[in-house]
Amino acid sequence: NAGVTQTPKFRVLKTGQSMTLLCAQDMNHEYMYWYRQDPGMGLRLIHYSVGEGTTAKGEVPDGYNVSRLKKQNFLLGLESAAPSQTSVYFCASKPGTSGYNEQFFGPGTRLTVL
Amino acid sequence: AQSVTQPDIHITVSEGASLELRCNYSYGATPYLFWYVQSPGQGLQLLLKYFSGDTLVQGIKGFEAEFKRSQSSFNLRKPSVHWSDAAEYFCAVGAINTGTASKLTFGTGTRLQVTL
Repeated sequence: NAGVTQTPKFRVLKTGQSMTLLCAQDMNHEYMYWYRQDPGMGLRLIHYSVGEGTTAKGEVPDGYNVSRLKKQNFLLGLESAAPSQTSVYFCASKPGTSGYNEQFFGPGTRLTVL
Repeated sequence: AQSVTQPDIHITVSEGASLELRCNYSYGATPYLFWYVQSPGQGLQLLLKYFSGDTLVQGIKGFEAEFKRSQSSFNLRKPSVHWSDAAEYFCAVGAINTGTASKLTFGTGTRLQVTL
């Protein structure tokens, strides 16, 4: 089991460029999440999905879009990158509906927007 | 709305000393509570979790946490710290209502430095 994987690990963009971050999980989890981590702010939820074909907004969704066409994949898109989106992005997945099930995290993607 | 406060941004302890990291939460009912650890350049790994039952929870790597409802706290402890424990620690609270998609709210983290 690879668990949760994220592609790419690092990326540098220029302002206005677009990109897609890929998250994949091989644990057959229903729920998937995208977070961003900034110094002194912990992890903040960007978007999440409760199943294939579903997405919903989290705490800080502006400037991001997501898609979950396949159960195992959750894509995070930046249509027009801004320096404020410089961050470390984490994907997580969780089995079932119980809140007691923990989220499993990927290794992160470090994104710099110049 | 749920919230988590980790009042200590940075803590330094000597190897072999005991450790306590503080976490206070705000939630309208009994919450799910989690502690995660993040080593430099890595993702988050679950240390332990609590929902109900015994208020003292044992986790991996020799960590434990105690839930105190009266103080709305879920402090993380370790009797003897090892140099490899240097990392950032996050407390998180989750909602019981599955309609909220089991979203977690994270604290801002406590960075632990271990001196030899």
